[in-house]
Amino acid sequence: QKEVEQNSGPLSVPEGAIASLNCTYSDRGSQSFFWYRQYSGKSPELIMSIYSNGDKEDGRFTAQLNKASQYVSLLIRDSQPSDSATYLCAAPLEGSARQLTFGSGTQLTVLP
Amino acid sequence: DAMVIQNPRYQVTQFGKPVTLSCSQTLNHNVMYWYQQKSSQAPKLLFHYYDKDFNNEADTPDNFQSRRPNTSFCFLDIRSPGLGDAAMYLCATTADRSYEQYFGPGTRLTVT
Repeated sequence: QKEVEQNSGPLSVPEGAIASLNCTYSDRGSQSFFWYRQYSGKSPELIMSIYSNGDKEDGRFTAQLNKASQYVSLLIRDSQPSDSATYLCAAPLEGSARQLTFGSGTQLTVLP
Repeated sequence: DAMVIQNPRYQVTQFGKPVTLSCSQTLNHNVMYWYQQKSSQAPKLLFHYYDKDFNNEADTPDNFQSRRPNTSFCFLDIRSPGLGDAAMYLCATTADRSYEQYFGPGTRLTVT
């Protein structure tokens, strides 16, 4: 089983809708999770970190963590065409002090 | 602004001709990473440094080498590039005791 799994998509939503991106992980000991946004041809950009169960909001972005179910999600409210990108979920690599394992990413397209 | 810088942004090399990619950072982070990312795939860790302590991933080909002469700079050497080495090469940094990784803009390597 991969350590971090995401639906590869592609996911399309209309402008103004809520985009929901999901990620599951296998290491029950993971304490921190990260969402990166990657535009085509660009490098990943850290947009959200979450360490505790529940929701964390930052502007139009909300990260949700459920440790009991081992999933983490990213909600994008009022989606804009500029949100069109690949979103990578990441978690610490099991047994590692400072490495992340990345999901394969979900490609999001926001349709005008 | 504190940042991670990679040079060059685009590199074209011939099959078998050695190439060096560079990364510098002004974040004063003591951990630096090199990733390889191919289209529609997750970043793949090649190696990382904790200060000057070099950590090689088990499946990183011997064709790839790295140097970190000081805290700010890190180099990726590809001794004999093959067509399969064409990819985006990403440098990232993180502070000690943190998993939040910050990426440079990447170097797109083309092998002809």
